[in-house]
Amino acid sequence: QKEVEQDPGPLSVPEGAIVSLNCTYSNSAFQYFMWYRQYSRKGPELLMYTYSSGNKEDGRFTAQVDKSSKYISLFIRDSQPSDSATYLCAMSGGGNYQLIWGAGTKLIIKP
Amino acid sequence: DAEITQSPRHKITETGRQVTLACHQTWNHNNMFWYRQDLGHGLRLIHYSYGVQDTNKGEVSDGYSVSRSNTEDLPLTLESAASSQTSVYFCASSEGRVREQYFGPGTRLTVT
Repeated sequence: QKEVEQDPGPLSVPEGAIVSLNCTYSNSAFQYFMWYRQYSRKGPELLMYTYSSGNKEDGRFTAQVDKSSKYISLFIRDSQPSDSATYLCAMSGGGNYQLIWGAGTKLIIKP
Repeated sequence: DAEITQSPRHKITETGRQVTLACHQTWNHNNMFWYRQDLGHGLRLIHYSYGVQDTNKGEVSDGYSVSRSNTEDLPLTLESAASSQTSVYFCASSEGRVREQYFGPGTRLTVT
C-alpha cells in the first residue's frame, strides 16, 4: 500500500461546477500538506499549503485537512477551462524535508 | 526574480552514454531535489541535497549520481544511460526547514 493514495482520474466536469479532489494517507506523522498544479509539459507549481489540520482558502480554491481521517481535499469553486491540469497532493512530516507525493489527478473542465 | 532553471530542455542520447542534466537556482535555497516523472508512477525522488557537499539517495537512485559544490547547482549524471531512464526529469528546491518545493521546467530525456 502506498503512503499517499490519489485517484488518477481523469475527472471531467462542466465549466462552473465545484470540483473536489482528494488524497488519503497512512502516516500519522505528516504535518505539512500541499497541493500542486501541473499543466501539460510544465513543472508542478505550488497551489496551496496547509500546516496541520483545518481549512485554508485562496480565491476559488479551498484546501481542507482532516488528520483524524488521514484525508485531505482541494475544492475548486466556479471551475474554469484554465483549471484543466493535473493536481498533485504532497505531504511531509518529521525531521526530513522530503515530500511524499500522490500520483496526481487529471482534471478536465469542459466549456 | 529568483528562479530555477534546467538545461537542456530536451535531450536524445544513446544507450551507454554518460549524460549530465543541469539544475541552477537563484533562490539561495539550501535544499535541492531531483525527481523523475513517468506515466503511472507520479514523481519519484532520485537524489537530494540539504547543502553544499551533502548528497543523499532517493527511492530510485540506481544509475544516477549528483554532486553539490555550491548552493546554486545540483547536476544530475546518468553514468551509462539505459532505455529505462527515458523520462521527464524535474529539479526542485526548498529553503531550510520550509517544506514547500519550487520546481524547474523539466528536462525531457530520451534514451535510444
